[in-house]
Amino acid sequence: DTGVSQNPRHKITKRGQNVTFRCDPISEHNRLYWYRQTLGQGPEFLTYFQNEAQLEKSRLLSDRFSAERPKGSFSTLEIQRTEQGDSAMYLCASSLARGQGLPYNEQFFGPGTRLTVL
Amino acid sequence: AQTVTQSQPEMSVQEAETVTLSCTYDTSESDYYLFWYKQPPSRQMILVIRQEAYKQQNATENRFSVNFQKAAKSFSLKISDSQLGDAAMYFCVYNVPGGGADGLTFGKGTHLIIQP
Repeated sequence: DTGVSQNPRHKITKRGQNVTFRCDPISEHNRLYWYRQTLGQGPEFLTYFQNEAQLEKSRLLSDRFSAERPKGSFSTLEIQRTEQGDSAMYLCASSLARGQGLPYNEQFFGPGTRLTVL
Repeated sequence: AQTVTQSQPEMSVQEAETVTLSCTYDTSESDYYLFWYKQPPSRQMILVIRQEAYKQQNATENRFSVNFQKAAKSFSLKISDSQLGDAAMYFCVYNVPGGGADGLTFGKGTHLIIQP
């Protein structure tokens, strides 16, 4: 396993369309996180899963955003009715749950999916 | 809410010289972690160094070291013997263990330029 992978790497869509991004975490990691990074800013936390359970989703930007991790492995992030303001880099990260050998939360990041909404 | 402030949008340093990146944060927690992450151009974010708030000793990883001042809520990164491969965006990051959201809180980043 070479790390966290994300697909697609780039997505161009028209306003109003739905888009879905996929993240494959490091295989032994049970936690998976989604972040959004806009130009000139640091990543902004959106949501995270422990196994298949979504433990935090209040940070999702609107009800147009949803995420799933149905079998506790890969995850998808969907944006419905995209808007131009959704243009950003969407980053996925994974980690072990705290206590599984580490007291802190080292998150390993994927390369991101760059979304452009026209 | 916790906030992380990086007041230097861009820094430039000559190769082989030393550079210090600044970071301040605001929190009411007593137990937390601080990190510096590096994001090279078009490449993945990677962890550079971490600091546990309960530890007084400053963390060091090879050419990278931090100056952690808990009372001042300051967490700077020193890069010694700068190399061309150090060119990247550097993010100061805060995390509370066991915090409900468990997500990382990032600063806006500092763009580090290495002059050959």
